Amino acid sequence: DAKTTQPTSMDCAEGRAANLPCNHSTISGNEYVYWYRQIHSQGPQYIIHGLKNNETNEMASLIITEDRKSSTLILPHATLRDTAVYYCIVRVVWDYKLSFGAGTTVTVRA
Amino acid sequence: GAGVSQSPSNKVTEKGKDVELRCDPISGHTALYWYRQSLGQGLEFLIYFQGNSAPDKSGLPSDRFSAERTGGSVSTLTIQRTQQEDSAVYLCASSLAQSGRVDTQYFGPGTRLTVL
Repeated sequence: DAKTTQPTSMDCAEGRAANLPCNHSTISGNEYVYWYRQIHSQGPQYIIHGLKNNETNEMASLIITEDRKSSTLILPHATLRDTAVYYCIVRVVWDYKLSFGAGTTVTVRA
Repeated sequence: GAGVSQSPSNKVTEKGKDVELRCDPISGHTALYWYRQSLGQGLEFLIYFQGNSAPDKSGLPSDRFSAERTGGSVSTLTIQRTQQEDSAVYLCASSLAQSGRVDTQYFGPGTRLTVL
């Protein structure tokens, strides 16, 4: 399975865009990029996923590089409620055993 | 319901007691998963249900752990003779499980189990 690399932590100012990078240099052609987040003492929350095209939903945008070796999750207007650990994972269609790495601890500051 | 629900949200028990944890998946989701997350640790897969069947129980740590699902909906995870190392947050997730399509799992809030 491809693995991902994320920065350990990052700070973001409230109201500004938060850009969270993820490296997945060994990703296979059939592996999707998924993002989840986990706010303290809560269950993981699905954010967005993509295969090769950029994706946007009500929570965030996902930008995947053309070679698919990295991606960026963009929270367009960070709020204090976006403070959480953000996990980037890669998985194939049939892979149902989710596994999170250390993720990026994002702290949104007023 | 709108999302996956779990009960209780917190459970404190004494070593040796049995506990039951409940999961209510999103309506219409045929697949259901149990994970656990120990303090500061990642997700640990426990078991997967497709309908009422459990094709993959490989993550259950011991025979003290069992799970069932009835009516293709509610699932119960039972831990018998609890041990202190069972203390963790037990997470349930559900998904549509559409064949051939990548499947997104949606998680519940978890049950925090503390074994004294």
